[in-house]
Amino acid sequence: AQTVTQSQPEMSVQEAETVTLSCTYDTSESDYYLFWYKQPPSRQMILVIRQEAYKQQNATENRFSVNFQKAAKSFSLKISDSQLGDAAMYFCAYRSANAGNMLTFGGGTRLMVKP
Amino acid sequence: DTAVSQTPKYLVTQMGNDKSIKCEQNLGHDTMYWYKQDSKKFLKIMFSYNNKELIINETVPNRFSPKSPDKAHLNLHINSLELGDSAVYFCASRSVGTGELFFGEGSRLTVL
Repeated sequence: AQTVTQSQPEMSVQEAETVTLSCTYDTSESDYYLFWYKQPPSRQMILVIRQEAYKQQNATENRFSVNFQKAAKSFSLKISDSQLGDAAMYFCAYRSANAGNMLTFGGGTRLMVKP
Repeated sequence: DTAVSQTPKYLVTQMGNDKSIKCEQNLGHDTMYWYKQDSKKFLKIMFSYNNKELIINETVPNRFSPKSPDKAHLNLHINSLELGDSAVYFCASRSVGTGELFFGEGSRLTVL
């Protein structure tokens, strides 16, 4: 079974600075998808960014980018120019492209943004 | 025009009661899910339905019974509620193209 690990329960960043959230996963598959979801205090789960494993280029969405290291099974999220509204729980998630269709989530990282 | 909507958003009930949470999606997706988020924020898959058929049923007590009357709806019924059932329950549906899950706002269940 696939597992997703987020080793940082909490992170803190100064407003306008850059922060990187870590995620590693364990799989024997070669084709899969990786996601970062944000959960603000409102509880809503919001997709931040998505990466297909077959793509070598790292995904980027405005201030959010990933560092996808397939061999190392690492998928970190970088948030540039952090804003107060970025404060939330961030979840890394894995989905196989072959078998099943569920997302397996990491334990989450709580990001605090200091003004 | 909410994409995935759950009702109720909050539910407080006594141990032993039976309750239901409803979920509807207007995205035209074929696959829907129920996830449970515990007090430590850990998200765990419970069930997955594809076009009204159950395809994933993780180790969940049989007090939990999902029902999908059509592919736009996936309801969750819980019998004989226990203290440990207190959690936030999320419904989601999946886009075939991107694989992205679209989540409802969650239903916070508190069992007293």
